Amino acid sequence: GAGVSQSPRYKVAKRGQDVALRCDPISGHVSLFWYQQALGQGPEFLTYFQNEAQLDKSGLPSDRFFAERPEGSVSTLKIQRTQQEDSAVYLCASSLPRGPLYFGPGTRLTVT
Amino acid sequence: DAKTTQPPSMDCAEGRAANLPCNHSTISGNEYVYWYRQIHSQGPQYIIHGLKNNETNEMASLIITEDRKSSTLILPHATLRDTAVYYCIVRSSMRANSKLTFGKGITLSVRP
Repeated sequence: GAGVSQSPRYKVAKRGQDVALRCDPISGHVSLFWYQQALGQGPEFLTYFQNEAQLDKSGLPSDRFFAERPEGSVSTLKIQRTQQEDSAVYLCASSLPRGPLYFGPGTRLTVT
Repeated sequence: DAKTTQPPSMDCAEGRAANLPCNHSTISGNEYVYWYRQIHSQGPQYIIHGLKNNETNEMASLIITEDRKSSTLILPHATLRDTAVYYCIVRSSMRANSKLTFGKGITLSVRP
């Protein structure tokens, strides 16, 4: 079966541009997580959805970051007015309730 | 969620068993031990998880001490493709939105 997919795999943005990163979770997985991974570090939690409800956004670093999952399936992480410190790999994961998280390949964002 | 402690790195010879240790002395009764690995430039990959009993699947075995304060992930016949960062994570079983909190992990290098 298909795993979690993310697009684009690579994104280069000029500082100040807005970007949108897409995540397609495993079909039927109600839980969806976004993580940010800086070079050489472990992934850091950003936000969590249960179906279409965003239940935890405690890890979003600023109000330039927001995420949505309007129909409880595909999710989009949007970063407005990108800055150099936003350069990282953005990982999406999905799961059944209380089940293991399955991660996608990530989107590598480079802000120049 | 309880924190975990892992050595920063270890190596093993190809074909031999790799035993990766993890300490989680403050683990509580409703917390699982999860193991993930991350191969360079890929998303984290779920390996195995357990609560109290030892667990085995097609990838690895997980041995949890009786007091649950430490565990060992065993890769029975390591291959070069097992070279990766391995993360030991403690995760609550009680909340449906329980996220994974990654530490620095242990870098396993499998040598020919």
